[in-house]
Amino acid sequence: DQQVKQNSPSLSVQEGRISILNCDYTNSMFDYFLWYKKYPAEGPTFLISISSIKDKNEDGRFTVFLNKSAKHLSLHIVPSQPGDSAVYFCAASVPGNTPLVFGKGTRLSVIA
Amino acid sequence: GAGVSQTPSNKVTEKGKYVELRCDPISGHTALYWYRQSLGQGPEFLIYFQGTGAADDSGLPNDRFFAVRPEGSVSTLKIQRTERGDSAVYLCASSFSGPNEQFFGPGTRLTVL
Repeated sequence: DQQVKQNSPSLSVQEGRISILNCDYTNSMFDYFLWYKKYPAEGPTFLISISSIKDKNEDGRFTVFLNKSAKHLSLHIVPSQPGDSAVYFCAASVPGNTPLVFGKGTRLSVIA
Repeated sequence: GAGVSQTPSNKVTEKGKYVELRCDPISGHTALYWYRQSLGQGPEFLIYFQGTGAADDSGLPNDRFFAVRPEGSVSTLKIQRTERGDSAVYLCASSFSGPNEQFFGPGTRLTVL
């Protein structure tokens, strides 16, 4: 029973355009959501997070949107750059320093 | 500054052998987590420590897996009688108390032949 789902295994976007990565969750106790980026042979790198008391958090080219009623979040990258090509993982946790629950990831390819 | 480090980066062993995987967290981080990532999957939780004690070990798949963090810093994940199904990348992460942003090491790729 997957509590965090990333239904698109891959996404291809042209350089300069917007990339939108989606994530759905089922556990209503989740109150903190994160996006990680992973290059081959490296560990996941923290990208951006959002608390359940917010519906948007922005950091440079990256914006995360949270829709609690739909149990859905998305990561927007604009403009997309070739260096953004990686696997992106959505993760969620219940309150406190607790283990993260990850989705299966979406492989983003940004084409020059 | 120094991030989370893990050793070895790669470990090849034979079925039935014992292995130890080491994690050095970011200095001052009180929470330490072990995850396992199989091909095509996201990281899956194994065990986490607050200080020296295991706060939650519900993700350990069976009693062949054990982890320690005796001084509240470095942690060792120990796998006895390894099986081919244990082959995966083992990731370690650490965090401060507060916002749950966990910082990951590069992982140890374990291959059981």
